[in-house]
Amino acid sequence: NAGVTQTPKFRILKIGQSMTLQCTQDMNHNYMYWYRQDPGMGLKLIYYSVGAGITDKGEVPNGYNVSRSTTEDFPLRLELAAPSQTSVYFCASTLGGSGRYNEQFFGPGTRLTVL
Amino acid sequence: QQQVKQSPQSLIVQKGGISIINCAYENTAFDYFPWYQQFPGKGPALLIAIRPDVSEKKEGRFTISFNKSAKQFSLHIMDSQPGDSATYFCAASYNDYKLSFGAGTTVTVRA
Repeated sequence: NAGVTQTPKFRILKIGQSMTLQCTQDMNHNYMYWYRQDPGMGLKLIYYSVGAGITDKGEVPNGYNVSRSTTEDFPLRLELAAPSQTSVYFCASTLGGSGRYNEQFFGPGTRLTVL
Repeated sequence: QQQVKQSPQSLIVQKGGISIINCAYENTAFDYFPWYQQFPGKGPALLIAIRPDVSEKKEGRFTISFNKSAKQFSLHIMDSQPGDSATYFCAASYNDYKLSFGAGTTVTVRA
């Protein structure tokens, strides 16, 4: 199993450009997440999904959009990139299930710089 | 607003020493407390986790101590090794699979 894969690894955007960060998992996990990591701030949840066709906002959703058309894929869309979106983005997944505590598996991250 | 407060921001320990990282929370509904370890350029990975029905959990050189009444929990790294140099995040959840992370602690183990 490849686990959670993310593309691209690095990207530089100009202010106002758009892009999609790709995330794929091959573990048949139901739950998927997008986080951003800023120095000294920990990981902040942007959006999450509990299954195909179902998404919900996290702590910091403004400026981002997501979709979940399949169990495997959970792309994150940035519209009108701003310098405040410069960050490292992590995708994660977990199996989920009632009454269970599930380990989140993280991808390797995408380092995004907006200039 | 940080739901989980973590300290210190960084620490340096000699090889063989003990590293201690502390976390505090306010939400009494939290019922799952994992610690994640992150090496530079990598995603975080689960290290060890505890539920509030126990006060301590040990896995090898890593121990979580949990104090429910004080709403605090801590990670102890015994016999610290250079390979333990990483950033450690505490987190908390209340069974809806959304983790609230602390700000992270960068641990440097000097040989």
